[in-house]
Amino acid sequence: EVQVVESGGGLVQPGGSLRLSCAASGFTFSSHEMNWVRQAPGKGLEWVSYISSSGTTIYYADSVKGRFTISRDNAKNSLYLQMNSLRAEDTAVYYCAREPVTGTGYDYWGQGTLVTVSS
Amino acid sequence: EIVMTQSPDTLSVSPGERATLSCRASQSVSSNLAWYQQKPGQAPRLLIHGASTRATGIPARFSGSGSGTEFTLTISSLHSEDFAVYYCQQYNNWPPYTFGQGTKLEIK
Repeated sequence: EVQVVESGGGLVQPGGSLRLSCAASGFTFSSHEMNWVRQAPGKGLEWVSYISSSGTTIYYADSVKGRFTISRDNAKNSLYLQMNSLRAEDTAVYYCAREPVTGTGYDYWGQGTLVTVSS
Repeated sequence: EIVMTQSPDTLSVSPGERATLSCRASQSVSSNLAWYQQKPGQAPRLLIHGASTRATGIPARFSGSGSGTEFTLTISSLHSEDFAVYYCQQYNNWPPYTFGQGTKLEIK
């Protein structure tokens, strides 16, 4: 069974840092491109970052560029999001989402991890 | 950046009736469009990709159509479990991948 499970969320002060993890199982992780998508409370979905299957190609939303870093460890079947210089507007549920090999949408999502940026 | 606009923001429909949700792209995305369903407290679920192909396990009452800039998600006969928020997403011109703002489908 395909599973992606996020962890690492929590309460952090503005300007602080947090590292999210996503543990993948039930599929060949190294064959799939991965993404982080977030959802602020009561709001819609916002794509945050993309990483290719090998980790060589990376993209970020303008709203997080220069502050967030996506990475992956294919040997550990894990995806990461290092978040620095956090702002109140980064408060959201962060989802790890898998792309199928066809690149057509996101076919598996984790349950999400809540990040709250507040003093 | 391609802007995705969904309409209406809220749709009230009775169980057993048909629901039609719309999504418009600010420029052509060919058929590179997906639809997702999200229920409260849950992650989104992929319903449709390629504008009209149902994802694995999605019931036949869900159908997608359109290409270019105009897309439609139709639920032929609403079940109680279909009341949720629906999002469209383009994956033609990226980054960024862009989502619509969502349509809330509520019970009339």
